[in-house]
Amino acid sequence: EADIYQTPRYLVIGTGKKITLECSQTMGHDKMYWYQQDPGMELHLIHYSYGVNSTEKGDLSSESTVSRIRTEHFPLTLESARPSHTSQYLCASSESGLSTDTQYFGPGTRLTVL
Amino acid sequence: AQTVTQSQPEMSVQEAETVTLSCTYDTSENNYYLFWYKQPPSRQMILVIRQEAYKQQNATENRFSVNFQKAAKSFSLKISDSQLGDTAMYFCAFLGSNYKLTFGKGTLLTVNP
Repeated sequence: EADIYQTPRYLVIGTGKKITLECSQTMGHDKMYWYQQDPGMELHLIHYSYGVNSTEKGDLSSESTVSRIRTEHFPLTLESARPSHTSQYLCASSESGLSTDTQYFGPGTRLTVL
Repeated sequence: AQTVTQSQPEMSVQEAETVTLSCTYDTSENNYYLFWYKQPPSRQMILVIRQEAYKQQNATENRFSVNFQKAAKSFSLKISDSQLGDTAMYFCAFLGSNYKLTFGKGTLLTVNP
């Protein structure tokens, strides 16, 4: 099983609050990803990073932001949470190179915004 | 852009029997990877099996095997001797030269005792 961690696992918060979802991996992977997944639905890429100080937006537009100051850490921030942000957020990481680019997932954070 | 289609939203199988989940994809690339991921209820997404497009031999992992038909752009997953713990959402995914995974909508598999 991959060593990738997400906290908190569950978060219920009121509208307008600022939140940060944490993601850490101990595998030394240079690539990290954030996906958004509604219950029983497919995953949509919202952010990715190919290394320190590198971040890109994914295919699904998101009001969240990310940072990558350390290789092992890739936090996601929502400045002002809204009910439309209610979803599950999955973090993943992988090594470089197409031959090894298997993504390993964290347990997810289930966010509910009231 | 690549697309991944899983045409079976839900499937069920009896314990100890075999089930096949379907996946088709569309791409103009020649070198890519395909994956099956498993997501049990309220649990972590885990990798089931991976297939390199340049390999003709179908990948196998214990009770899990794939039928990869490159010309037909088909990538089905066969689960043999189904177990109750196989109950999960199964996602087919494509990885191409942009290094970004494209997922299908998933198939909910229920294994019945």
